[in-house]
Amino acid sequence: ILNVEQSPQSLHVQEGDSTNFTCSFPSSNFYALHWYRWETAKSPEALFVMTLNGDEKKKGRISATLNTKEGYSYLYIKGSQPEDSATYLCAFGGGYNFNKFYFGSGTKLNVKP
Amino acid sequence: DAGVTQSPTHLIKTRGQHVTLRCSPISGHKSVSWYQQVLGQGPQFIFQYYEKEERGRGNFPDRFSARQFPNYSSELNVNALLLGDSALYLCASSGTSGRGSEQYFGPGTRLTVT
Repeated sequence: ILNVEQSPQSLHVQEGDSTNFTCSFPSSNFYALHWYRWETAKSPEALFVMTLNGDEKKKGRISATLNTKEGYSYLYIKGSQPEDSATYLCAFGGGYNFNKFYFGSGTKLNVKP
Repeated sequence: DAGVTQSPTHLIKTRGQHVTLRCSPISGHKSVSWYQQVLGQGPQFIFQYYEKEERGRGNFPDRFSARQFPNYSSELNVNALLLGDSALYLCASSGTSGRGSEQYFGPGTRLTVT
């Protein structure tokens, strides 16, 4: 069983704060790393798919970096807004099962106005 | 455009019963994956189907089975339900079966086993 860890488990910030969280995954047999945003009562929404070491992706105020050699990815949110409140999940695509994803437990972000 | 749809939204079953959950992928998507999400944990991979063939299976007992139809919709079947099967079941579709392909999730089916 592959272990994917996300930290912190939860985060409370004020509107306007910038924040970041971490996804740690095995550094061997890497194929892809996905980030999702999951708002309450909605479907998980894909944010980024990252496949290359050193990848940096950006969508608006949200960006992500990838280090496959050391097995981690960072998600950054610049100037957090209340609408950013959600659980952020990462999913590691690796190992020997070609089509399997391993999800972390998520980081729950609460942005206070 | 319609996203991934799942039915039913909620379901209550008794231990020992059987349940069938349904998923319709985004039009043009040929891959469907099923996940189980228990409160406080991330989604756990159950199955992936691509072009009606099973392409991946997670660590779930044989009570769990699935299939994909010619129109690429999919069913997840669970036999002999246990209390521990209570969870949110998510379906995701993608254009291809590979791990680099973006997945689009449905709203899920909340299963409660009493």
